[in-house]
Amino acid sequence: EIVLTQSQGTLSLSPGERATLSCRASQSVSSSYLAWYQHKPGQAPRLLIYGASSRATGIPDRFSGSGSGTDFTLTISRLEPEDFAVYFCQQYGSSPPTFGLGTKVEIK
Amino acid sequence: QVQLQESGPGLVKPSETLSLTCTVSGYSIGNGYYWAWIRRPPGKGLEWIGNIYHSGTTYYNPSLKSRVTISVDTSKNQFSLQLSSVTAADTAVYYCARHTTTRGCDYWGQGTLVTVSS
Repeated sequence: EIVLTQSQGTLSLSPGERATLSCRASQSVSSSYLAWYQHKPGQAPRLLIYGASSRATGIPDRFSGSGSGTDFTLTISRLEPEDFAVYFCQQYGSSPPTFGLGTKVEIK
Repeated sequence: QVQLQESGPGLVKPSETLSLTCTVSGYSIGNGYYWAWIRRPPGKGLEWIGNIYHSGTTYYNPSLKSRVTISVDTSKNQFSLQLSSVTAADTAVYYCARHTTTRGCDYWGQGTLVTVSS
């Protein structure tokens, strides 16, 4: 199965700053079937990005995704207070779908 | 708006069967999509348990395949998970989600903690 590595365990940033999160796959992700999710404690995970770069319905344009093959990036252009959360990536092009461990974006 | 809600016992004894149900509102399961179970053990990453298509076709993660059964009840708009012969390693937060082949998991439940302990 494909292993996804999110090397940044925690990012400490201030509101208004830019956040750049990485997700690296152990092998090429088929058809760029890579998604990013936001997860806050006690809430359901929220789909942000699918297909590596397509924003899900209702997601603000400060969230963007890029990458292909084995290297993917989620960028939050300017952090809003509600953006401090855990972000995890998922590949769903190969079975079983697999997830990264997540990156926590915390307030500095 | 599509919503999913997990329900079931929060405590299961070792060697017994874990049973959870996901109730879907805002969308009829019979209309399509895959419906998935995912878990996160304490201190570990998310793990795909398996999924079921509205027609009943299933996929199980090979690591759990021998112990997992996922079923669907379109009349109740629910799908269910059974995990047999549980051990402490099955302690986790269990999530249900709607899975699409092109967009990943677009709707999730909040998750329910299941502890395996005597």
